[in-house]
Amino acid sequence: QKEVEQNSGPLSVPEGAIASLNCTYSDRGSQSFFWYRQYSGKSPELIMFIYSNGDKEDGRFTAQLNKASQYVSLLIRDSQPSDSATYLCAVNNGGSNYKLTFGKGTLLTVNP
Amino acid sequence: NAGVTQTPKFQVLKTGQSMTLQCAQDMNHNSMYWYRQDPGMGLRLIYYSASEGTTDKGEVPNGYNVSRLNKREFSLRLESAAPSQTSVYFCASTSDRARRGYTFGSGTRLTVV
Repeated sequence: QKEVEQNSGPLSVPEGAIASLNCTYSDRGSQSFFWYRQYSGKSPELIMFIYSNGDKEDGRFTAQLNKASQYVSLLIRDSQPSDSATYLCAVNNGGSNYKLTFGKGTLLTVNP
Repeated sequence: NAGVTQTPKFQVLKTGQSMTLQCAQDMNHNSMYWYRQDPGMGLRLIYYSASEGTTDKGEVPNGYNVSRLNKREFSLRLESAAPSQTSVYFCASTSDRARRGYTFGSGTRLTVV
């Protein structure tokens, strides 16, 4: 059973702080990694993807991947109240069916 | 530029009734997926279609059937709805071997009473 684990939270940070979201995965063959943001009552929207070890930055978001430790994280700098949402980690094991396995998500609350 | 369109957005069924959830994408994606999302359970894969003409079971297929009608459309059918199927259902699609993840529809909120 391929698993993706996230702390359910809630993670609460003050406005302007750095929010750090973490995810571990069980399948060493996993090839690509995704972070989705889901507002309450809405569908997931892709905010970052990463394939290679190291950091990938996009605006206020940085994804970090460490395949040896089977660990992927998302940093949100200068957190805003509008960042309050559930963040889903997803992993693609590279099979021909292109399935993503999702974690259960971490609820982030950014307090003004 | 609609992306992935799901219908209906909301539905209430009585136990034992049947219904079909519709999903269509206009991005020329090859692969399509149906997930359900329940509180505390995350997104769980029901069925998927890696390419037109193929369908396969996911993690929680019992009580559901699917049809990949053509490259654009992938429907999910509940033959005899049960209260345990109360959930939010998401359709998603992808191309390029999912290297850029999935695009999700807006979801169908289904209640079975």
